[in-house]
Amino acid sequence: AQRVTQPEKLLSVFKGAPVELKCNYSYSGSPELFWYVQYSRQRLQLLLRHISRESIKGFTADLNKGETSFHLKKPFAQEEDSAMYYCALSGLYSGGGADGLTFGKGTHLIIQP
Amino acid sequence: DAGVTQSPTHLIKTRGQHVTLRCSPISGHKSVSWYQQVLGQGPQFIFQYYEKEERGRGNFPDRFSARQFPNYSSELNVNALLLGDSALYLCASSWDNNSPLHFGNGTRLTVT
Repeated sequence: AQRVTQPEKLLSVFKGAPVELKCNYSYSGSPELFWYVQYSRQRLQLLLRHISRESIKGFTADLNKGETSFHLKKPFAQEEDSAMYYCALSGLYSGGGADGLTFGKGTHLIIQP
Repeated sequence: DAGVTQSPTHLIKTRGQHVTLRCSPISGHKSVSWYQQVLGQGPQFIFQYYEKEERGRGNFPDRFSARQFPNYSSELNVNALLLGDSALYLCASSWDNNSPLHFGNGTRLTVT
């Protein structure tokens, strides 16, 4: 069965410090990994999709198939990064279509001033 | 920009009742997906509809059903409500079967 694990329920860092939100997955086929973010009182929105290989709002994530990980990183945290972050998984190139997305439980990131 | 809209925003029902939740996708999007998010958990996949046909179903009982209309809007129906059905129900739309999902704000269902 496919699974996404986000080991940290809560992560608190100071402004300007590096941030790493951990995500590990298990999937039998070729996976596609995503990071979704939910800012306070806003809807869940896509932050990163691994096949796009983009950097959004200074965040990057690299798929490590050997370690089955897709950790989200940012070198210098900003207060506006405070939000709930969800790692999600689907089959490759499916975008979360017919098989749906499998989400982790989420990590609440708090950036302290 | 008119994102995915869901109605109602909040709903309180009694055990055993039936509920219908509604979703309007972003204009031009032909795929609609439904997710259930229980407090403290990530969203869990219920259904995906594309071009008015069910294309995917998650691990939910037959009490859960959905449909997509010719204008691509969608309804999620839940029969014989249980206390455990209390959750935030999220609708998401996308251009097609493989594009990233755009989520609505959700409908908060409370079953008493």
